[in-house]
Amino acid sequence: QKEVEQDPGPLSVPEGAIVSLNCTYSNSAFQYFMWYRQYSRKGPELLMYTYSSGNKEDGRFTAQVDKSSKYISLFIRDSQPSDSATYLCAMSAYDWDSGGSNYKLTFGKGTLLTVNP
Amino acid sequence: NAGVTQTPKFQVLKTGQSMTLQCAQDMNHEYMSWYRQDPGMGLRLIHYSVGAGITDQGEVPNGYNVSRSTTEDFPLRLLSAAPSQTSVYFCASSIENTGNQPQHFGDGTRLSIL
Repeated sequence: QKEVEQDPGPLSVPEGAIVSLNCTYSNSAFQYFMWYRQYSRKGPELLMYTYSSGNKEDGRFTAQVDKSSKYISLFIRDSQPSDSATYLCAMSAYDWDSGGSNYKLTFGKGTLLTVNP
Repeated sequence: NAGVTQTPKFQVLKTGQSMTLQCAQDMNHEYMSWYRQDPGMGLRLIHYSVGAGITDQGEVPNGYNVSRSTTEDFPLRLLSAAPSQTSVYFCASSIENTGNQPQHFGDGTRLSIL
């Protein structure tokens, strides 16, 4: 079982729809949970970050973490064509094998989202 | 504010050739890393550095070499290119590696090995 599982999609929705993107994980040591957005032919950029179970809202975006179920979600309300991108979940845990103060960041494979006008 | 700059943007190599992918950041970040991104595989860590003069291996280090002589620069060297190294390579930096710092990515180098 992969440490982080993410449905690659693709996901196609009409403009204005509510989008739900999800990741599951198996490593209970993960402490920090992030969502990155990657536009075509660009590098990923951090969209949201959280470290506790519950919801975190930022404009049209809500990040949800359920540590008991090892499940994280990103909700996009009133989706826009400009939201069309690949969304990657990412999680970090202390890397005991590194021998120093170092965290290991693990990415999901990404979900390709297209929002149609 | 340039952020993380990667050069070149595209490169085609023949099997066995060597080359260096350049990465520079102007944010005075201590932590820098190299990833490769392949379809169906996601982002995989190749090498990382927690500061000038300190480097370590990531998940897929074979065939690659790195050095960090300055805070700003973190070049990735392909020693003898193989078709399996065809990929998109991303350099990233963050203030430090404490798990909760955002990674700032460059726009990638698209590398094809023939």
